[in-house]
Amino acid sequence: SYVLTQPPSVSVAPGQTARITCGGNNIGSKSVHWYQQKPGQAPVLVVYDDSDRPSGIPERFSGSNSGNTATLTISRVEAGDEADYYCQVWDSSSDQGVVFGGGTKLTVL
Amino acid sequence: EVQLVQSGAEVKKPGESLKISCKGSGYSFTSYWIGWVRQMPGKGLEWMGIIYPGDSDTRYSPSFQGQVTISADKSISTAYLQWSSLKASDTAMYYCARRGQQPPAFDIWGQGTMVTVSS
Repeated sequence: SYVLTQPPSVSVAPGQTARITCGGNNIGSKSVHWYQQKPGQAPVLVVYDDSDRPSGIPERFSGSNSGNTATLTISRVEAGDEADYYCQVWDSSSDQGVVFGGGTKLTVL
Repeated sequence: EVQLVQSGAEVKKPGESLKISCKGSGYSFTSYWIGWVRQMPGKGLEWMGIIYPGDSDTRYSPSFQGQVTISADKSISTAYLQWSSLKASDTAMYYCARRGQQPPAFDIWGQGTMVTVSS
């Protein structure tokens, strides 16, 4: 089965850049989507197809994907960015279908 | 406005049955897949399964196959997730989410339904 590995936590000071990784076997050949979930709220799509942003998502959110690692980058981090972030792919090669990473807690110091 | 509205919180006893709902509005309900996602307390997102309301084509995660049933009634733009015999370990928040056509990401999420199973 396909596995996505994320670091449990990432910490960054306000105004700095946060990078959250998502590791998977040859993930660069898949489209990666990223979701933000704030406490007590439903997830929100923040990046799709590796690097595109839905309307309404700030340009500070960007993504990249190559080899065995996809990365969500949040520039000029704000206190309001503190949340859990999940990567997701579709694994069409197996019965799994949808695969989520374990999630990363972003803490703004 | 495109939205998914889920049914309210439930408190059930082990062994009881339950069906929760997810009503779509503001778009063509039959043209988009609807997925269900479990989030146990303090844990991450787990995909349970997905249904295409247009023809009721349904796929399940191997982890949830046989444990739940996903269905839809396109006449009322509503998808369902049901259990025949709940367990304490089913205690969790359950989200429905629309899979976009392009990109095929979960672009719209319901507000979640909290299910608590306790004797």
